[in-house]
Amino acid sequence: EPEVTQTPSHQVTQMGQEVILRCVPISNHLYFYWYRQILGQKVEFLVSFYNNEISEKSEIFDDQFSVERPDGSNFTLKIRSTKLEDSAMYFCASKGGGWSNQPQHFGDGTRLSIL
Amino acid sequence: AQTVTQSQPEMSVQEAETVTLSCTYDTSESNYYLFWYKQPPSRQMILVIRQEAYKQQNATENRFSVNFQKAAKSFSLKISDSQLGDTAMYFCAFIGNDYKLSFGAGTTVTVRA
Repeated sequence: EPEVTQTPSHQVTQMGQEVILRCVPISNHLYFYWYRQILGQKVEFLVSFYNNEISEKSEIFDDQFSVERPDGSNFTLKIRSTKLEDSAMYFCASKGGGWSNQPQHFGDGTRLSIL
Repeated sequence: AQTVTQSQPEMSVQEAETVTLSCTYDTSESNYYLFWYKQPPSRQMILVIRQEAYKQQNATENRFSVNFQKAAKSFSLKISDSQLGDTAMYFCAFIGNDYKLSFGAGTTVTVRA
């Protein structure tokens, strides 16, 4: 069964550094998402992406964050200048159609640790 | 904005027994979809079951079933014949016309041998 893959599985970065989290969505999917889960807390929506542009973003997704689909297969989340509070598990998800009932398929996540 | 509430932070169940996880949500929309996701210790997010709000029939997926009460805005998950591999955090999630998932805080389920 096709999967969403995320790399790396764990990223350790110094505060203030830039980090790029990578995702390869399922190949025929058109809608892409990033979610964040701070340890012990609920999963939070960050951003959705369709047709090469952001469809929606949450208040968490400030100017420090950006997303890109550089080559038609990868979907990246960049955090420009990381803060301690960016430490979290980041999940990428994708789905095929625009209907709400289509489930979003999640990757295994990238654990981001900011030192 | 939609809110999803899971009032049980932790549940424990004996292997082969049944456990029911509660979830309530708040929305003004009439068409929406509800999901239960499982997050094992490895921290993947795995879809367990989904329910369309316009369907009266409760969804079932093997040992997993839901009790969907639209008027009460309730969406509980029943795990029958619990197995050790069911040990995980379970998240209830809602998606409406804004197409983004809103998650509850999660319920940790521990299956005891």
